[in-house]
This record gives sequence, structure tokens and C-alpha cells, in this order.
Amino acid sequence: EAQVTQNPRYLITVTGKKLTVTCSQNMNHEYMSWYRQDPGLGLRQIYYSMNVEVTDKGDVPEGYKVSRKEKRNFPLILESPSPNQTSLYFCASGQGNSPLHFGNGTRLTVT
Amino acid sequence: AQKITQTQPGMFVQEKEAVTLDCTYDTSDPSYGLFWYKQPSSGEMIFLIYQGSYDQQNATEGRYSLNFQKARKSANLVISASQLGDSAMYFCAMREAFNNRKLIWGLGTSLAVNP
Repeated sequence: EAQVTQNPRYLITVTGKKLTVTCSQNMNHEYMSWYRQDPGLGLRQIYYSMNVEVTDKGDVPEGYKVSRKEKRNFPLILESPSPNQTSLYFCASGQGNSPLHFGNGTRLTVT
Repeated sequence: AQKITQTQPGMFVQEKEAVTLDCTYDTSDPSYGLFWYKQPSSGEMIFLIYQGSYDQQNATEGRYSLNFQKARKSANLVISASQLGDSAMYFCAMREAFNNRKLIWGLGTSLAVNP
């Protein structure tokens, strides 16, 4: 089954404790992206990747890192999480002009 | 400047009736695509329907259709024969050809289907 898999679905952590949200897709898509969703602000792009070893900043990259060492994986790293990074995070992948496929989301709470 | 506008924060519809969710957009790129996604309370983002700027006909997918009025820059989603499971947030999004690295999103419309 074609899918984007994000883990974990829920994560509660404390300020400053490094964490990684994993994202994997099995559709051989070149394009992958991370979004965060906040009430009243909609979805905002954090980082995206056009292919392996090619990543670039989106609209709100501060406080986040990503890597794309393999085509299927695109982890999101928060080196020192802060409460303002409490949000719902989505990983998405796509190819060409086709619609983006989204993971099920990761609800992160930073206390 | 906001490029996708969804003017209806919340909508109600009676089960089995049709409902239209509004979306207007702004772009100077002649080549673009418009998408609608559904987000139920469980949180996942589900693709519903796509309309390309050069498509001659309005897109349809089952009970979903897109009322695309290019001159007015509107791409309204029509859901026919509403079901209780249609209760969700609905997002309109646009991808421009010159910057196809991201989708530009509206703020969404919350739809409640009443039995």
C-alpha cells in the first residue's frame, strides 16, 4: 500500500531535549516536505527536499533540521525544542504535479 | 499577501443535502494547480480533488466536484449528498508552476453535517 509513515503519532517532551520525528515513504517520490499546522495559521512549510542530499528551507525553518540521506526517509530533527514548537506536524511526499501524500501527523507537545 | 482565501470558517449542512465550500485564489502564474484536502478530527490529511489551470472541464471525484471559475479565480468544492462522515475541516491549496516546491494553503472551513 502506498503510504507516508510518520512516527511517533504523539510526543510529549521537555524544553531542550533533542528529538527526531521520522518520515518514510514507499512510493519512490523525489519530493518530500515537512509542514506544521497551528490554529489560525494553517499549514506552513518547514523544510523540503527535491531529492537525495538536496534540502531547502521553507517558510518557518528556525529551530528545525532535516536530512535526506536516502530517497525514502526524511526525518525532522529538533535539536533543542521549545514550547513554541508545540504543534501538529505533517510529512508529505509527491512526484511531479501529482497531489501530495501526507503522513498521519505527529502531535508534539513541548513543556 | 494571502493567496488562498477561504471565507467560511464554519459551515453547517443537513445530511443528504449538497454543500459548497468557497475558495478564491490569487496568482499571476498562468500554470497552477488547485487541491482540496479533508482533515477529519483524527487529524490526517486526505486528498480529495485536483484541478489544473488548463483543464477544460471541472474536476469530479465521486460526490466531490470542483466549480472552477478561472476568470473569477475561484475553485469551490461541492459535496453532494452530504454524509455524517463528511464532518471535517476542508482545506483549499494551490501550487504554482514557477514555485512547485510547496503548496499555498487556505485556513480551512469546518463543515458539520447534521443528521
